[in-house]
Amino acid sequence: ETGVTQTPRHLVMGMTNKKSLKCEQHLGHNAMYWYKQSAKKPLELMFVYNFKEQTENNSVPSRFSPECPNSSHLFLHLHTLQPEDSALYLCASSQGDRASGANVLTFGAGSRLTVL
Amino acid sequence: AQKVTQAQTEISVVEKEDVTLDCVYETRDTTYYLFWYKQPPSGELVFLIRRNSFDEQNEISGRYSWNFQKSTSSFNFTITASQVVDSAVYFCALSDAGGFKTIFGAGTRLFVKA
Repeated sequence: ETGVTQTPRHLVMGMTNKKSLKCEQHLGHNAMYWYKQSAKKPLELMFVYNFKEQTENNSVPSRFSPECPNSSHLFLHLHTLQPEDSALYLCASSQGDRASGANVLTFGAGSRLTVL
Repeated sequence: AQKVTQAQTEISVVEKEDVTLDCVYETRDTTYYLFWYKQPPSGELVFLIRRNSFDEQNEISGRYSWNFQKSTSSFNFTITASQVVDSAVYFCALSDAGGFKTIFGAGTRLFVKA
C-alpha cells in the first residue's frame, strides 16, 4: 500500500461506545496529524505528532485520545462522544522539521464518524 | 492570530470558462507559507502548491496559476479552461514558519458543468 491509509472509512457509534480510528502512512514521513472536518466549520487541527512526540494539542476535549506508537502509525481513541462530534476525521503526514519550513501535508481519505 | 478567508462558498461555471478562487489571509509573522489543496468527492485532500512569504513570483502549472500579493494579503488561484474533473472543494491554507501548524480556510466548492 502507498500513501496514507485510514480505517475504518465509516463508523457509527453510540455515545457510550469506545472505538478507535487508525491511520498508517507508508511514506517514511516523521510527522502525523489529526484534523476534523465538519459540515459547518473549516478543517480543524486536533493533534500533531513529530517523531512520536505530541507537539500540538489544539484544545481538544479529553474524549478524544491520540496515540502514536511510531512514526508510521497514529490512532484516535474515542469514548463517550457527543452527536456534535460527528464529522470526517482526516489523518495526514508530512516530512520535514522546523528548520526546513512548512510541511506539505499528505492526507488520507478520512474516517466518516457518526455518533448517535 | 492567523486566519484564512475564502469568501466564495460555491462557484458554478460551464466547462472551458476561466475561474478564480479568492483567498485572503491574516498573519503577524514575517515568515509564513501559503498552500492550496483540492478535495475531490472521494474526500482525500490533494496538495497543489506551496509558496513562502518571500517569494511573490506568480506560478503557472498547466491550466492552474496562482497570484500571490503580499500588499493585499491575497493568494488567488485561477483555473483556465475549466474541466468537469476540476469539480471539487478547494482549500487555501496558511502555516507558520515552524511548519507543523497549518490552518485552513472554509473552502470553495467549484462546480464545472459540461
